Amino acid sequence: QKEVEQDPGPLSVPEGAIVSLNCTYSNSAFQYFMWYRQYSRKGPELLMYTYSSGNKEDGRFTAQVDKSSKYISLFIRDSQPSDSATYLCASRLILTGGGNKLTFGTGTQLKVEL
Amino acid sequence: DVKVTQSSRYLVKRTGEKVFLECVQDMDHENMFWYRQDPGLGLRLIYFSYDVKMKEKGDIPEGYSVSREKKERFSLILESASTNQTSMYLCASSWGARNNQPQHFGDGTRLSIL
Repeated sequence: QKEVEQDPGPLSVPEGAIVSLNCTYSNSAFQYFMWYRQYSRKGPELLMYTYSSGNKEDGRFTAQVDKSSKYISLFIRDSQPSDSATYLCASRLILTGGGNKLTFGTGTQLKVEL
Repeated sequence: DVKVTQSSRYLVKRTGEKVFLECVQDMDHENMFWYRQDPGLGLRLIYFSYDVKMKEKGDIPEGYSVSREKKERFSLILESASTNQTSMYLCASSWGARNNQPQHFGDGTRLSIL
C-alpha cells in the first residue's frame, strides 16, 4: 500500500465548475501537507501548504485536512482552462534524525473544458 | 522568486555511459533533492543533501550518486546508464534547517537511455 494514495484521473470538468481533488494517507506521523500543480513539461509548483486540520484558503483554492480520517482535499472554485494540469498532494514526515521527508501521491490529471 | 535551473531539458544517452545531470538554485537554499518521476509511480526521492559536501540516500539510490561541492549546485550522476533509468528527473531545493520548508522544483530533465 502506498503511503499517499491519489486517484490518477483524468478528471474532466466544464469551465466554472467546483473541482474537488482528494488524497488519503496511511502514516499518522505525517505532519505537513502540500498541494503542487504541474503543467505539462514543467516542474511541480507549490500551491498550498498546511499543517493543521481544517481549511486554508488562497483565492480560488481551498486546502482541507482531516487528520482523524487521514484525508486531504483541494477545492478549486470557478475553475478555468488554465487550471488544467496534474495536481500532486504531498505529506511531510519528520525523521528521527531531525530531517524531513516528502512523500508524494501519483497525481490527478485535471482538464477544464470551455 | 525561487529559481531552480536544470541544465538540460532533454537528454539522450546510451547504455553504459556515465551521465551527469546538473541543478543550480539561486536562493541560497541549504537543502537540495533529486527525484525521478514515472507514470503511475509518482515522484521518488533518489538522493538529497542538507549541506555542502553532505549527501543522504533517498528511497531509490541504486545506480546513482551525487555531488555537492558548492551550496548552489547539486549534481546527479548515473555511473553506468541503463534503460530502466529512462525517466523525468526533477531537482528541488528548500531553505530551513533539515528541510522544514516547502520544496521548489526545476522544470525537469527528460532523460532517455537507448
